[in-house]
Parts: sequence; structure tokens; C-alpha cells
Amino acid sequence: AQSVTQLGSHVSVSEGALVLLRCNYSSSVPPYLFWYVQYPNQGLQLLLKYTSAATLVKGINGFEAEFKKSETSFHLTKPSAHMSDAAEYFCAVSFSGNTPLVFGKGTRLSVIA
Amino acid sequence: DAGITQSPRHKVTETGTPVTLRCHQTENHRYMYWYRQDPGHGLRLIHYSYGVKDTDKGEVSDGYSVSRSKTEDFLLTLESATSSQTSVYFCAIKGEYTEAFFGQGTRLTVV
Repeated sequence: AQSVTQLGSHVSVSEGALVLLRCNYSSSVPPYLFWYVQYPNQGLQLLLKYTSAATLVKGINGFEAEFKKSETSFHLTKPSAHMSDAAEYFCAVSFSGNTPLVFGKGTRLSVIA
Repeated sequence: DAGITQSPRHKVTETGTPVTLRCHQTENHRYMYWYRQDPGHGLRLIHYSYGVKDTDKGEVSDGYSVSRSKTEDFLLTLESATSSQTSVYFCAIKGEYTEAFFGQGTRLTVV
């Protein structure tokens, strides 16, 4: 069965520091991969997506992620954290264009001034 | 923002009562989904639809039913609400080979 693992339910970084949120997936076929962000009391907003084009994907708000097939990973990074990045982040995978997304359990990012 | 409206946004109901949540879209997307979000569990799929009157079960479908009589509406019914169904429910829509777009959520409390 397809699955997504997000390492670390809570990550804390200082303002201006590198953000690294980890995501690994299980799949025997090339997946579609997504990162979503959720601010308090809101729905999920797409940050970026990988759909078998470039392996380095750039998203909104300065975030990017790299698809590494050999490591079955799709980690999310941002060079310099901002206070406004504090939110919960979800990695999701789909294995064809019309299958439901399967989500990881989420990682809450705190940014310390 | 994608045209998705969930109603109601908040609801408190008593154990044993039926509850229906509505998801309405204006995007004419074929695929619609109901997820529930609980701390420590992320989002889990309840049911989904791939067309009018075409639905299928997800990971946590027990105690829930769905209906889709029109492209734009996808209803989720809790047949007899239980405290374990206290959660935040999200509707999502998706085109083929695109990302999913989410509604604002419905916070349901079963007392």
C-alpha cells in the first residue's frame, strides 16, 4: 500500500535559519508528490508539486523540494525561515492522475525569534 | 482560491443523531474527496467520488456514507454520530493530473 512518512512531528528553527522538513514515500511506480501548508483554523494550501518533470521543484514563499528516487524522498527546504512560516506542513502522494492523495501525519514548524 | 464551499463551518450535535455535511464546488472538477483531520493522524480519506453517483470508500469509511447526485455537490452523512467522529472534516476537489484543492473545513463536535 502506498504510504508517506514525515520524520518529526514538530520542528523548531530560529528565524533566518534553514528549514528542512523530511518526507519519504513508498512506491514501486513514479509518484506525484505534493507539499501543503496549513495555517491555524484554515484549509490546506498547495506549496509545490512534483509531477515527473524537473526533480528540483520551486514553490511559493521561497520553499523548494527535491525528488530523489534512489532515496524515495521529497524533502522540503527553505534557506531562511521567517516568522510567517510557522504552520503545519503536510507531504502527500498520489500514484496516478486520478487516485486520491495519501497524506503524511504532518510536521508542525515553529520559528523562534 | 478554488471555488469550494463547505457547510456548515461549525456544528455541535448529540450522540446518535444523523449529521450531513455539504461540499459545493464551482470548478466542475470530476473528483471530490472527504477527509478527516485529527491530531497525530494527519488527513485520512473517508470517501471519494469520481463522478456523479460514482463513489468509493477510503481508509476510514465506517459510520459514514456519501452521495453525489450533481457534479457540484458531495454530501457526507454520519448515520449515527459518535464521539469518535468529533473531528475537522475537509472536502477537496481535483482535476485529472492536478493537485487537490481544499475547502476551509467543518469543525464537528459530537457531545
